[in-house]
Amino acid sequence: GQQVMQIPQYQHVQEGEDFTTYCNSSTTLSNIQWYKQRPGGHPVFLIQLVKSGEVKKQKRLTFQFGEAKKNSSLHITATQTTDVGTYFCAGREYGQNFVFGPGTRLSVLP
Amino acid sequence: EPEVTQTPSHQVTQMGQEVILRCVPISNHLYFYWYRQILGQKVEFLVSFYNNEISEKSEIFDDQFSVERPDGSNFTLKIRSTKLEDSAMYFCASSASGLAGSSDGYNEQFFGPGTRLTVL
Repeated sequence: GQQVMQIPQYQHVQEGEDFTTYCNSSTTLSNIQWYKQRPGGHPVFLIQLVKSGEVKKQKRLTFQFGEAKKNSSLHITATQTTDVGTYFCAGREYGQNFVFGPGTRLSVLP
Repeated sequence: EPEVTQTPSHQVTQMGQEVILRCVPISNHLYFYWYRQILGQKVEFLVSFYNNEISEKSEIFDDQFSVERPDGSNFTLKIRSTKLEDSAMYFCASSASGLAGSSDGYNEQFFGPGTRLTVL
């Protein structure tokens, strides 16, 4: 079955440093979503990517969908303490449900 | 801003007992989902529900699980005979359109705050 992996598992950065998490699927995806989960909270939708090679930006966050639609990345520029949390990608094959990756837990040191 | 609500926030039960987890999705949403997250692990899809029937379910969603929309607002997950390994956070989610749609943003899933189930 479809597997979705994310690296790194954990990332500790100093406030102001950049952060990137990578998501890889074992199969070609129809679309991919990114979620953020604060400690003790629930997943909150960030964005959906649909097109091959798509790049979307939300303020300091940049999301990219690979050309082969099997990988994606989330890049945060100049991290802030409010960025702390676990970032999950969730990939969907055509006609299937979303499969969540294991997440990357981001810690930001002030 | 509309939100998904879930009750109770924490449920403690004895192994073998039945539990019902309740969710009120966003009012104009048509697609409903249950996910679970074992502590410290990833979010796992359980089931999706549309037009009063299950549209898709995962391997986790076996015969001991069932879902129901008993009225126009509530969406429930029932676990018939709980096991220790059912201990997890259960999230309900809803979306305006289904997962089959690829339109940008239309199948954004809104998650509720979760119910923490502890099976003793």
